Amino acid sequence: DAKTTQPTSMDCAEGRAANLPCNHSTISGNEYVYWYRQIHSQGPQYIIHGLKNNETNEMASLIITEDRKSSTLILPHATLRDTAVYYCIVRGFDNYGQNFVFGPGTRLSVLP
Amino acid sequence: DAGVTQSPTHLIKTRGQHVTLRCSPISGHKSVSWYQQVLGQGPQFIFQYYEKEERGRGNFPDRFSARQFPNYSSELNVNALLLGDSALYLCASSLKASGGSADTQYFGPGTRLTVL
Repeated sequence: DAKTTQPTSMDCAEGRAANLPCNHSTISGNEYVYWYRQIHSQGPQYIIHGLKNNETNEMASLIITEDRKSSTLILPHATLRDTAVYYCIVRGFDNYGQNFVFGPGTRLSVLP
Repeated sequence: DAGVTQSPTHLIKTRGQHVTLRCSPISGHKSVSWYQQVLGQGPQFIFQYYEKEERGRGNFPDRFSARQFPNYSSELNVNALLLGDSALYLCASSLKASGGSADTQYFGPGTRLTVL
């Protein structure tokens, strides 16, 4: 079973920031938070990951709460091409034999 | 650099047949994982291989098997196909097989298998 819970769907206006929440209350100290997205039956696309510090790259920012029990993925200026299913996954290291466990994700619709 | 490549793109088979799907990882990546994605669900883990050895297996029947070659490419084989095997089969590659930063998995475009 996935170790994360996410809202089923969200809407966002084009040009506005999209804030996608994720709860991972049972996360362990050695587990990373990863975000992927999947655009209509394409392969999942890696977005960002983090352990405890906030992270930013050219695609998005990841804000992890101090207790690490939840996080938020921020797309600063959403475009129509950001419409996709977004998956939040927790993944530990030195965990041979276990892999990314995908839940149903959040379906983000960016509206014009 | 080329990303993860998979072949074929689409495949149609009938029940009881056998299928082989192929995956080439990103250059320098030594680990390949396979996932099955049924319509409307998230990907489900099938296998992980690292340095040609199986490192993990998901909850799939023995009809599913895989192997990794010396050049780190991989094949997924499914025997005695069932209607329920119809899905998008995804391959992902990573540098290693551990869960640290070096283990970010990069996915290919997938092979769409339809079983009639």
